[in-house]
Amino acid sequence: KAGVTQTPRYLIKTRGQQVTLSCSPISGHRSVSWYQQTPGQGLQFLFEYFSETQRNKGNFPGRFSGRQFSNSRSEMNVSTLELGDSALYLCASSLGNHLDSPLHFGNGTRLTVT
Amino acid sequence: KNEVEQSPQNLTAQEGEFITINCSYSVGISALHWLQQHPGGGIVSLFMLSSGKKKHGRLIATINIQEKHSSLHITASHPRDSAVYICAVGFNNDMRFGAGTRLTVKP
Repeated sequence: KAGVTQTPRYLIKTRGQQVTLSCSPISGHRSVSWYQQTPGQGLQFLFEYFSETQRNKGNFPGRFSGRQFSNSRSEMNVSTLELGDSALYLCASSLGNHLDSPLHFGNGTRLTVT
Repeated sequence: KNEVEQSPQNLTAQEGEFITINCSYSVGISALHWLQQHPGGGIVSLFMLSSGKKKHGRLIATINIQEKHSSLHITASHPRDSAVYICAVGFNNDMRFGAGTRLTVKP
């Protein structure tokens, strides 16, 4: 079975731009969750999608949004980028709720905002 | 105050040593995850547990729900175990992470 695929692996954007990151889950997994990792804040939960619906959301501003398609692939979007958005963005897929199901992580997208 | 506290922050061991990493949390949880992150960023889920004990190879994870505490043990440590180990808890539709324990195993 193919693992979780995130694209692109690296991205450089300038302040004020927007960015879209993609995550393809393991086949059969309906939950996709997104996380931000920075040296200062560590790992933080962004949101989780299940069957095309946002089910859980962390404490991030509205500039961070996402969606999930009928094939369970998910995208997250960050608008009006700020320098502090530079981070490793990880997605994970799971069969059930990401809170209490084993998680399968992608390799992440490293975003640099200049 | 962080809901999830890990100790130690850094740990250096000699190959073959028995290692314990601790995780304490302050909220009611649905489950606790132990994650491993190697340099380069990729994260591997080691265990997901809500009670008792789980074992996989040289790794053992335990959780005490009453004491709000979990431990990750590595028996017969090896240099390839060098990584950051992160504890995460699911609660109240959110997930919170510990700051991680950086483990270095020397040959």
